[in-house]
Amino acid sequence: NAGVMQNPRHLVRRRGQEARLRCSPMKGHSHVYWYRQLPEEGLKFMVYLQKENIIDESGMPKERFSAEFPKEGPSILRIQQVVRGDSAAYFCASSQGLAGVEQYFGPGTRLTVT
Amino acid sequence: EDQVTQSPEALRLQEGESSSLNCSYTVSGLRGLFWYRQDPGKGPEFLFTLYSAGEEKEKERLKATLTKKESFLHITAPKPEDSATYLCAVQTNSGGSNYKLTFGKGTLLTVNP
Repeated sequence: NAGVMQNPRHLVRRRGQEARLRCSPMKGHSHVYWYRQLPEEGLKFMVYLQKENIIDESGMPKERFSAEFPKEGPSILRIQQVVRGDSAAYFCASSQGLAGVEQYFGPGTRLTVT
Repeated sequence: EDQVTQSPEALRLQEGESSSLNCSYTVSGLRGLFWYRQDPGKGPEFLFTLYSAGEEKEKERLKATLTKKESFLHITAPKPEDSATYLCAVQTNSGGSNYKLTFGKGTLLTVNP
């Protein structure tokens, strides 16, 4: 039973380029969450999605960041015109249900902006 | 605003030396408290969920307990392979977004042989 999959594991982008991070949830899981882990900080919620729907994007910066979870294929977190402050580890998690249910995390994508 | 504070930030133990990690929380209504383990360069690995004060859960050398203000992760006779960062997170009933996990910054545990 494959866990949550993320790719790429490492991504290097120059300032101003676009970053695309992909996440495939665990089999049978319909809820997807993205979290960001900045150096020396805890994991912070960014966005919650279900298939074809963004349910809550309150933790995502208003500009340059977007997320989607299409009917077919993985969830995508897209960062346009990256800046050095976007360098972080981005984790995707999935769950079978909502409140009170454990979320299972992928291995993360480590984004470095040069 | 929901807050989760973990202490100590770092803990160094000798193999076999039992200890506890603390997670204190300030929330408007607790839905669940979660413990995760994170190894360097990897994603958090789920350990336990606790829902109500007085609840306890065990897994191998780990035991998690919950009160109305805090949770403890007790490690009995740790081994070097228990070295990792242990993360505590809460889900609350506030604001209709009871699916969000609010994390503490973690406790970095090192167990020396």
